[in-house]
Amino acid sequence: NAGVTQTPKFRVLKTGQSMTLLCAQDMNHEYMYWYRQDPGMGLRLIHYSVGEGTTAKGEVPDGYNVSRLKKQNFLLGLESAAPSQTSVYFCASSAAGTVLEQYFGPGTRLTVT
Amino acid sequence: GENVEQHPSTLSVQEGDSAVIKCTYSDSASNYFPWYKQELGKGPQLIIDIRSNVGEKKDQRIAVTLNKTAKHFSLHITETQPEDSAVYFCAASIYKLSFGAGTTVTVRA
Repeated sequence: NAGVTQTPKFRVLKTGQSMTLLCAQDMNHEYMYWYRQDPGMGLRLIHYSVGEGTTAKGEVPDGYNVSRLKKQNFLLGLESAAPSQTSVYFCASSAAGTVLEQYFGPGTRLTVT
Repeated sequence: GENVEQHPSTLSVQEGDSAVIKCTYSDSASNYFPWYKQELGKGPQLIIDIRSNVGEKKDQRIAVTLNKTAKHFSLHITETQPEDSAVYFCAASIYKLSFGAGTTVTVRA
């Protein structure tokens, strides 16, 4: 049981490039989330999904898109990366019955130059 | 929306001493208050949580207290050990988690 995994662990992009971050969970959780973590600002919710095929905006959704084609996977896309998107990105998941008990992945450190 | 403030931002304690981290929240409707521990290079891990119908909860060396009237809650770590060194985050929730900015705890041997 690997829990929540994220790929890649590190990535450097140039401004304007695109990329996709992959999150996978093997706990059969219905809910999945993408957060970004910046120094002195805690974790901020980007997008979330309450089930396969559904997505919703969080606190800071601009510049990001997501897809949940399979229950176990949640993808975060950056279509045209900007330096302001330099951050550490965390994926999390939770069960429908305990939505707020979220389990986090190890994170992806993204640098946009 | 919910606003969570966390203090202090850094905390250095001698091994064996206690550490206390405090958080305040703005929305009186918040009813779930988890604490997460984040070790270097890893994702946050839930260590303890408390719901609004409970005033205190303990789990071995860690405890959380909640004062709904004052809208603040605290994490207490007793008999600190070097492995307690990490960043700790509080959060408050009605239907989604709002996180504090984090406290970097360093336990000096």
